[in-house]
Amino acid sequence: TQLLEQSPQFLSIQEGENLTVYCNSSSVFSSLQWYRQEPGEGPVLLVTVVTGGEVKKLKRLTFQFGDARKDSSLHITAAQPGDTGLYLCAGPPYGGSQGNLIFGKGTKLSVKP
Amino acid sequence: DTGVSQDPRHKITKRGQNVTFRCDPISEHNRLYWYRQTLGQGPEFLTYFQNEAQLEKSRLLSDRFSAERPKGSFSTLEIQRTEQGDSAMYLCASSRITGIMAVVTNEKLFFGSGTQLSVL
Repeated sequence: TQLLEQSPQFLSIQEGENLTVYCNSSSVFSSLQWYRQEPGEGPVLLVTVVTGGEVKKLKRLTFQFGDARKDSSLHITAAQPGDTGLYLCAGPPYGGSQGNLIFGKGTKLSVKP
Repeated sequence: DTGVSQDPRHKITKRGQNVTFRCDPISEHNRLYWYRQTLGQGPEFLTYFQNEAQLEKSRLLSDRFSAERPKGSFSTLEIQRTEQGDSAMYLCASSRITGIMAVVTNEKLFFGSGTQLSVL
């Protein structure tokens, strides 16, 4: 069974700090996606990484896919209260539909002003 | 363009009752997914449709669960004889696929706000 483990589970920081959250697996994924979810809402796709070693930037967010395509990280620079939310990584299982995603449990981020 | 719409947003029911949820995907999206999310967990895949065909079902989807997408547009998820363990957020997502299934990459899912089910 392919699993995605995310760490840390919870993170509470002050506005302006930098942070990195991780998504790890013992299995290879063809791609990984990162989502942000706010309470009472569905997840919103932030980025998809496909190539091993790939780095993508989205304003203050930097996403990296590991060379072996077994792990990914999300780095936020100068966090803001608007970054608060649950960050989920997800990927399609081997042989499954691209939309049949395995999700990690998420990292719950709280950014205090 | 409106997003994925789910109805109702909240449902409270008694154990043993049947419930039905509706999902309206983004217009022209041909794939529709159902996921379930419990507190402290990430979403878990339940089933998906391409147009009106149900192509994959998770082992999580017991016989009490049934999903339909009769005309390839909206979908319904019915849970019969609800149990307390069915309490969760039920999420619907849609996507638009233009390639052949085997070569689809970078599929983008758009999620609705979910239906929060509480079984008492």
